[in-house]
Amino acid sequence: GDSVTQMEGPVTLSEEAFLTINCTYTATGYPSLFWYVQYPGEGLQLLLKATKADDKGSNKGFEATYRKETTSFHLEKGSVQVSDSAVYFCALSDRSGGSNYKLTFGKGTLLTVNP
Amino acid sequence: EPEVTQTPSHQVTQMGQEVILRCVPISNHLYFYWYRQILGQKVEFLVSFYNNEISEKSEIFDDQFSVERPDGSNFTLKIRSTKLEDSAMYFCASSFSSYEQYFGPGTRLTVT
Repeated sequence: GDSVTQMEGPVTLSEEAFLTINCTYTATGYPSLFWYVQYPGEGLQLLLKATKADDKGSNKGFEATYRKETTSFHLEKGSVQVSDSAVYFCALSDRSGGSNYKLTFGKGTLLTVNP
Repeated sequence: EPEVTQTPSHQVTQMGQEVILRCVPISNHLYFYWYRQILGQKVEFLVSFYNNEISEKSEIFDDQFSVERPDGSNFTLKIRSTKLEDSAMYFCASSFSSYEQYFGPGTRLTVT
């Protein structure tokens, strides 16, 4: 079945540091890939997405590139802020095999950014 | 901006009791989902709903669970006889197309 593996963390960085959170996936078909963010006490918010190989999703300074050859979708940001402190989830949606667009999530990575 | 809403935000119930978790999806969305997140664990798919019927369900979604869209706006998840292990955060999500699911803030269910 489908699965997502991401760096578990926790990750602690200083403000303005570079962020990478690794994510790799296994899927039977050709999935769409997502990063969701969960701020403390809140629900899941879509951060960015990519639907085909070599697509780059970007939002709020975050980027991730769909790499089919390495089955990866690593999240990066050049300069993190304290307000980026949250849990980040990598996820995929695979329509093959009759799957009706359900999301399969990684375990989440807690990011803490210190001033 | 339209958003998915869920009520209640926190529900405490005793083991064996029935609970109904309520969701109001975004109004023009066609696909509806429930997920749960046990504390400290990953978000897990429970069920998807399209065209007034269940389109897919996970192994977690056994006979104790049911979903309903009773009036064209609400989308509910019922647990008939709660167990301790049902304690989790339950998220409702909706989407217009296959690509972007929008999540509600969640209902924290505590079974004692």
